[in-house]
Amino acid sequence: DAGVIQSPRHEVTEMGQEVTLRCKPISGHDYLFWYRQTMMRGLELLIYFNNNVPIDDSGMPEDRFSAKMPNASFSTLKIQPSEPRDSAVYFCASSPEGTGGRSPLHFGNGTRLTVT
Amino acid sequence: ILNVEQSPQSLHVQEGDSTNFTCSFPSSNFYALHWYRWETAKSPEALFVMTLNGDEKKKGRISATLNTKEGYSYLYIKGSQPEDSATYLCASPNSGYALNFGKGTSLLVTP
Repeated sequence: DAGVIQSPRHEVTEMGQEVTLRCKPISGHDYLFWYRQTMMRGLELLIYFNNNVPIDDSGMPEDRFSAKMPNASFSTLKIQPSEPRDSAVYFCASSPEGTGGRSPLHFGNGTRLTVT
Repeated sequence: ILNVEQSPQSLHVQEGDSTNFTCSFPSSNFYALHWYRWETAKSPEALFVMTLNGDEKKKGRISATLNTKEGYSYLYIKGSQPEDSATYLCASPNSGYALNFGKGTSLLVTP
């Protein structure tokens, strides 16, 4: 099992540009989560999907952020237009069931985004 | 949204010392408590998932206890080693299925 795969590992872009982060969850996992890590706020949930359907996007900061999961093996997080305050590490994680149960999250290696 | 709090924010111990950290969470509507270990330049990895009051879990020199009535969990490391240096996160689900994380305890173990 290759684990959760995220790409790119690092992204440096200029303010105003569109950024797309990608995630491939572990096969068979029904839940996919997007988190953002910053020094100020720690690890915060942005959105999560169950069986490809977005369940809770209340953590998405604003309309510049959007996420999709077109199939069980792929999800994207898009920021358009990007701003310097979006600089952070973005993690994707998957779980075979909702983590309200006994299943831990499996994290990808994260994408470090820098917006200049 | 549940507020998960961790203390201390950081900790520096000598090799061989035993140490512990605290995670507090609202005790109402408790469902589960997760502990993760996060090494620098890596991704968080699950240590324990705890669901029962009084539960105690152990993995090698690391153990955790849970008190759901008063809303706290302790993580213990016996005989700390430099490779234990990491950030330790605890988390609890919100009303749905997503985890709310504390800000972590950063542990540094020096030889």
